[in-house]
Amino acid sequence: DIVMTQSPDSLPVSLGERATINCKSSQSVLYSSNNKNYLAWYQQKPGQPPKLLIYWASTRESGVPDRFSGSGSGTDFTLTISSLQAEDVAVYYCQQYYTTPNTFGQGTKLEIK
Amino acid sequence: QITLKESGPTLVKPTQTLTLTCTFSGFSLRSSGVGVGWIRQPPGKALEWLAIIYWDDDKRYSPSLESRVTITQDTSKNQVVLTMTNMDPVDTATYYCAHRKGVSYFDYWGQGTLVTVSS
Repeated sequence: DIVMTQSPDSLPVSLGERATINCKSSQSVLYSSNNKNYLAWYQQKPGQPPKLLIYWASTRESGVPDRFSGSGSGTDFTLTISSLQAEDVAVYYCQQYYTTPNTFGQGTKLEIK
Repeated sequence: QITLKESGPTLVKPTQTLTLTCTFSGFSLRSSGVGVGWIRQPPGKALEWLAIIYWDDDKRYSPSLESRVTITQDTSKNQVVLTMTNMDPVDTATYYCAHRKGVSYFDYWGQGTLVTVSS
């Protein structure tokens, strides 16, 4: 299985400040034939299912605010929230879909400082 | 509009078999590339990918659970069924089903159903 490791586990950030969450995969999730990184980011608020934010490592899902962005390639990825809003408090997960099982990271809890 | 909804027992006893049904609308599992997967989440813990079934009946399982899990589809009813045998208290979790197109991300999720394993 590909192991997905996120850092940090918990991230306190002040409103309006930048939040950066990292995700590292135990092997590359870059498919050379199409040059795509098989990596997604989800946001989960309490009592709700995960919501897709980013796919192919950097493509924002329709309707997701542009303060959310994804970057990285190969084994190292980052989710950035450029200016934290109160409604962004949630747990964020990365997931690789390069190979089954499509493993998730352990989650990063984003909170207001 | 794509929707998915999980249904099944909220409480099962240890050693029993769990059967969960995902009823969906807004897409067809006969459409090329479409898949429905199951993911679970123990209380306060991370997401765990369990299994997926595709439009062509291709099935993939998590190796750690493959001996206990079966995924099937009933295209006439727009349903996907997950069966998990020999349930244990550690299997207590919210179980989600989700839609995907091809080898890709899950773009639509059900609300989830909490299953508690206890005697």
